Amino acid sequence: GGIITQTPKFLIGQEGQKLTLKCQQNFNHDTMYWYRQDSGKGLRLIYYSITENDLQKGDLSEGYDASREKKSSFSLTVTSAQKNEMAVFLCASTGLGANTGQLYFGEGSKLTVL
Amino acid sequence: QQKVQQSPESLSVPEGGMASLNCTSSDRNFQYFWWYRQHSGEGPKALMSIFSDGDKKEGRFTAHLNKASLHVSLHIRDSQPSDSALYFCAASEPITGNTGKLIFGLGTTLQVQP
Repeated sequence: GGIITQTPKFLIGQEGQKLTLKCQQNFNHDTMYWYRQDSGKGLRLIYYSITENDLQKGDLSEGYDASREKKSSFSLTVTSAQKNEMAVFLCASTGLGANTGQLYFGEGSKLTVL
Repeated sequence: QQKVQQSPESLSVPEGGMASLNCTSSDRNFQYFWWYRQHSGEGPKALMSIFSDGDKKEGRFTAHLNKASLHVSLHIRDSQPSDSALYFCAASEPITGNTGKLIFGLGTTLQVQP
């Protein structure tokens, strides 16, 4: 079995700061995703990548950048952290495509902005 | 407008009882549906998928899909305290070929009382 590792697990930043979250998977999956989870709002798709060096915007991409330099890793950057922002960022991957294959999620990175 | 709507928002059942969760989609592009479960402090994990009309049973879990009404349900019989979690319904929106992206509902919080 494989695993998705997200770092850091907890991230505390200041307003206006640029913050980067990292995700590594050893499933050898082609497609990777970044979701944001706010309390009471479910999961919202920020960015996804179908293959190495590919980037696609999700519904919540404004204020974020992403990077997929290697098949196994997918990074997400919060370009300017908002004061009082608090959310969990979840990375996921799939090998068969989300239509017929399941997504495997990491445990999440919790962001707090002071 | 939320493309995937779940009800109820929260649900409490006694141990050994039946839990029924509902999900409705407003987009006929969605062809594939998934149920995910998230325990506190963890990432979501796939429970089961359903693509065809009718019932699909996996152990204590039964999913039902009605494509005409875009309604999906999940029934958990003989509920256990370990089933207490946040349950997400997710619908797959095709991207290209066999690759899709999952759109999640806001979730139903299930509490199983010992």
